[in-house]
Amino acid sequence: SQQGEEDPQALSIQEGENATMNCSYKTSINNLQWYRQNSGRGLVHLILIRSNEREKHSGRLRVTLDTSKKSSSLLITASRAADTASYFCATSNTGKLIFGQGTTLQVKP
Amino acid sequence: DAGVTQSPTHLIKTRGQQVTLRCSPKSGHDTVSWYQQALGQGPQFIFQYYEEEERQRGNFPDRFSGHQFPNYSSELNVNALLLGDSALYLCASIFGGAGTEAFFGQGTRLTVV
Repeated sequence: SQQGEEDPQALSIQEGENATMNCSYKTSINNLQWYRQNSGRGLVHLILIRSNEREKHSGRLRVTLDTSKKSSSLLITASRAADTASYFCATSNTGKLIFGQGTTLQVKP
Repeated sequence: DAGVTQSPTHLIKTRGQQVTLRCSPKSGHDTVSWYQQALGQGPQFIFQYYEEEERQRGNFPDRFSGHQFPNYSSELNVNALLLGDSALYLCASIFGGAGTEAFFGQGTRLTVV
């Protein structure tokens, strides 16, 4: 079963705009990870945030984690056409990853 | 440094048949997990292998079985294939069982007809 919900399910923006995706989960976690998937192929790891962290940055990516609300958000700034992909959050407690349904992002040139 | 490699990339099988998928983990990784991803869904955890033993298992029937070899590579076997087994099967590797980022292979696209 899925861990939680991702919102929105689909997002379409213009190049240069920011994209924000949200993820909610149900159980306690050790860490939360975000992945990108292009065209139904393998997942690429983007960023990992531990349960004792509140915010993390990596390049154009910013992730926040609110364990009291059991939610996380991924912000992609200054989006590019190459950012078009599906984005998944995944929670980890015992080493297995539990994924959400994903957000499909389309960035129009 | 080779990442996670999976074979084959595509496979077509008939209902009732058996299939074996293979995965070589990223160099230095000792833990392999398998995931099933149906079209339009997030990946679902099947099981995890560490030190050649199944350590965790998701909500999948016994038709799904696996193995890990001494070189840390792994196989996923599915018996008595059903149409509903059609999916992308992903292999992921990490080091030490938990707590770090997972590296995924490109997946095997299984179609059951």
